[in-house]
Amino acid sequence: DTEVTQTPKHLVMGMTNKKSLKCEQHMGHRAMYWYKQKAKKPPELMFVYSYEKLSINESVPSRFSPECPNSSLLNLHLHALQPEDSALYLCASSQGGGGNGYTFGSGTRLTVV
Amino acid sequence: KNQVEQSPQSLIILEGKNCTLQCNYTVSPFSNLRWYKQDTGRGPVSLTIMTFSENTKSNGRYTATLDADTKQSSLHITASQLSDSASYICVVSAIVQRMRFGAGTRLTVKP
Repeated sequence: DTEVTQTPKHLVMGMTNKKSLKCEQHMGHRAMYWYKQKAKKPPELMFVYSYEKLSINESVPSRFSPECPNSSLLNLHLHALQPEDSALYLCASSQGGGGNGYTFGSGTRLTVV
Repeated sequence: KNQVEQSPQSLIILEGKNCTLQCNYTVSPFSNLRWYKQDTGRGPVSLTIMTFSENTKSNGRYTATLDADTKQSSLHITASQLSDSASYICVVSAIVQRMRFGAGTRLTVKP
């Protein structure tokens, strides 16, 4: 298995909802990443987990809460989002911190209404 | 100023023609440079990855070059197809966990 699987592919949520994005990989990668990508812009790093520990938080608002239950799973919990948070959310994984084998998932298209 | 600059911002070519996309970077220290293809609303897909010692890498009709001295890379697409229409993103890694993304080149291939 050489894929990073993200679910759901599309999500529409209200500003008072609580939802979660899920990311899964079975390549034995020990680093996992969340990115946010607005239309016609490059991905922006949000969080990095290394060996299941949060190693980088790019000053992301607390309404985004990451979680790494085990080495294969990465979640992004969403609460009280704003319409400007609508974007494509990408998960990625790599063998280690150096970025070997860096692989992106197909993304979750999030719309906040 | 972005540490990875791509040009042109957008490009329109006819099917069957060749094209070359450019990437200049200032990221230091340098670990590797990747080219990704990203279809609209989808995740980026890796085309090539090059380290400091490599100056050419091919993947089918895609050929990437790297000049680590001038900190420039190019992606050449041969005999373009309609399915090549996408954004092409240059990504440069330093030694640690951060990848620096270029803004991408939006390529449109017309019949």
